[in-house]
Amino acid sequence: GAVVSQHPSWVICKSGTSVKIECRSLDFQATTMFWYRQFPKQSLMLMATSNEGSKATYEQGVEKDKFLINHASLTLSTLTVTSAHPEDSSFYICSAAGAPNEQFFGPGTRLTVL
Amino acid sequence: QQQVKQSPQSLIVQKGGISIINCAYENTAFDYFPWYQQFPGKGPALLIAIRPDVSEKKEGRFTISFNKSAKQFSLHIMDSQPGDSATYFCAARTGGFKTIFGAGTRLFVKA
Repeated sequence: GAVVSQHPSWVICKSGTSVKIECRSLDFQATTMFWYRQFPKQSLMLMATSNEGSKATYEQGVEKDKFLINHASLTLSTLTVTSAHPEDSSFYICSAAGAPNEQFFGPGTRLTVL
Repeated sequence: QQQVKQSPQSLIVQKGGISIINCAYENTAFDYFPWYQQFPGKGPALLIAIRPDVSEKKEGRFTISFNKSAKQFSLHIMDSQPGDSATYFCAARTGGFKTIFGAGTRLFVKA
């Protein structure tokens, strides 16, 4: 099946700094990408949906100014956590969807904010 | 976002036994129901999926049963193995690939 990669796989940062996470679809064009957040022993919660070249659509309760999403190409989406705080520490997972009419999930990025 | 309810929260099964996880949904706009398997520190991996016009789908040891009128579906893992120990998520998806996950079931298969 198609492959979705995320970089970095884990990151530790200081409180107040910004962190960028990349999501790439390696062998297909992803017209839509999704970003999820997963706290320990909890489910995946959808944060936002992004379509290539358009502004992201955020789920209720997700701060768009804090979680900046850019989907500049059909193979790359980025999530930037701005002014990160310890409560933003989580497992961030992206998902890419497109031809051949399927959806694939990335391996996740573990963010720890000190 | 809790549009998909999943139970049980955790499950312990003997090796060789049958693991059963149940889910229910409310939104009739959902048209695709996948199950995902997730190991610690990894992203979810698609296990098996079904569309609402089918009542049952089987792939190897994994079977989905779907009851459209009751808006319920379940995953059966036959001949459960210790390697099946993981967290399982049911999910529901609309036509635009927007996928909503259930709360998850932590399965432990005793050797």
